Amino acid sequence: DQQVKQNSPSLSVQEGRISILNCDYTNSMFDYFLWYKKYPAEGPTFLISISSIKDKNEDGRFTVFLNKSAKHLSLHIVPSQPGDSAVYFCAASALRTNAGKSTFGDGTTLTVKP
Amino acid sequence: DTGVSQNPRHKITKRGQNVTFRCDPISEHNRLYWYRQTLGQGPEFLTYFQNEAQLEKSRLLSDRFSAERPKGSFSTLEIQRTEQGDSAMYLCASSSFGGRASTDTQYFGPGTRLTVL
Repeated sequence: DQQVKQNSPSLSVQEGRISILNCDYTNSMFDYFLWYKKYPAEGPTFLISISSIKDKNEDGRFTVFLNKSAKHLSLHIVPSQPGDSAVYFCAASALRTNAGKSTFGDGTTLTVKP
Repeated sequence: DTGVSQNPRHKITKRGQNVTFRCDPISEHNRLYWYRQTLGQGPEFLTYFQNEAQLEKSRLLSDRFSAERPKGSFSTLEIQRTEQGDSAMYLCASSSFGGRASTDTQYFGPGTRLTVL
């Protein structure tokens, strides 16, 4: 049973447009969510996070939205740049239970075309 | 560079051999994690430490796998009697948790790519 799902394996957008990456989760104990970017042959790089007490967090071109009732979060990248082309992973953890591990989705490959 | 480091970056071994990987976390971080990633999937949790205590182990971590963090600093992950199914990227991450920190953002190293022939 996959508790974090990224249903779109790939996404292609034009440079300058908005990229929207989606993530769904099933475990109601998750209260902290993160997005990571990964290039080939490298480890995941932290991008942005959000606590369940918020519904939005913004950092430059990156914004994460959390809809707790729908158990859904999304990452918006505006404007998209060719250097954003990578695999994006959504992750979730349950900090209230002091659980340390993060549960990851299988990733979405974003391609930004010049 | 004060990020998470892992050694070696690549390891090729024959089935049945033992391998050991090392992870050096960010120096002030008290938590250290091991994950495994195979092609087309996200990282899967294996185990984590808070200081030198191993707090949780995944069911994925069979008895052939053992991890240590003896002094609460670097960690080693050993795989005994490797099998072809062990071929994967082994990722280490660290975080600062507790005290005023109300989050647990994990920062990853570059990974060790294991190939078992």
